Amino acid sequence: RKEVEQDPGPFNVPEGATVAFNCTYSNSASQSFFWYRQDCRKEPKLLMSVYSSGNEDGRFTAQLNRASQYISLLIRDSKLSDSATYLCVVGSLTGANNLFFGTGTRLTVIP
Amino acid sequence: EPEVTQTPSHQVTQMGQEVILRCVPISNHLYFYWYRQILGQKVEFLVSFYNNEISEKSEIFDDQFSVERPDGSNFTLKIRSTKLEDSAMYFCASSPTRGWYGYTFGSGTRLTVV
Repeated sequence: RKEVEQDPGPFNVPEGATVAFNCTYSNSASQSFFWYRQDCRKEPKLLMSVYSSGNEDGRFTAQLNRASQYISLLIRDSKLSDSATYLCVVGSLTGANNLFFGTGTRLTVIP
Repeated sequence: EPEVTQTPSHQVTQMGQEVILRCVPISNHLYFYWYRQILGQKVEFLVSFYNNEISEKSEIFDDQFSVERPDGSNFTLKIRSTKLEDSAMYFCASSPTRGWYGYTFGSGTRLTVV
């Protein structure tokens, strides 16, 4: 069973569109949740942490539902620069704080 | 902004050869990690290192892999006898504490085994 599963994608959306990504995780002991962004052949970069109360950072909103083991990311008013692969990432301190990554969902924003 | 530095950016090696991938973590960080990403696949945890010893390793990190912190700044990943399937992007990461604050990835080394 995969630790972290994401929407298969790819998502191709026009500029200005709203797009949502979903993710589920299998380990109920997971404690920390993140969305990372990865550009082609580059390292993953933290986009935002995800909290149970939900959190927003500009055009990005992340939600966590611990009961359903479900994480989401909403991007409003998509920009061309948002084109990237979005990685759902989960961490558990029962280990040695390594991270478990989803396979990622590729987003292309079209002019 | 402090960064994790990895060298080389690209390494080509023949099957069966040994390779050493190098990383310079952020200077005040105490926890170090190696991850790998095979082309088109997810990022996978290999090993974590703290206080000069391995904290945890994944199933991927078998006897052909080893890590070392030979001095106060470098953190290396050695692959003893490379296989074709070792071709991947290898990312080093570091964090200041146990936990996620400040967890930072390097830009990676692309290893190609021919």
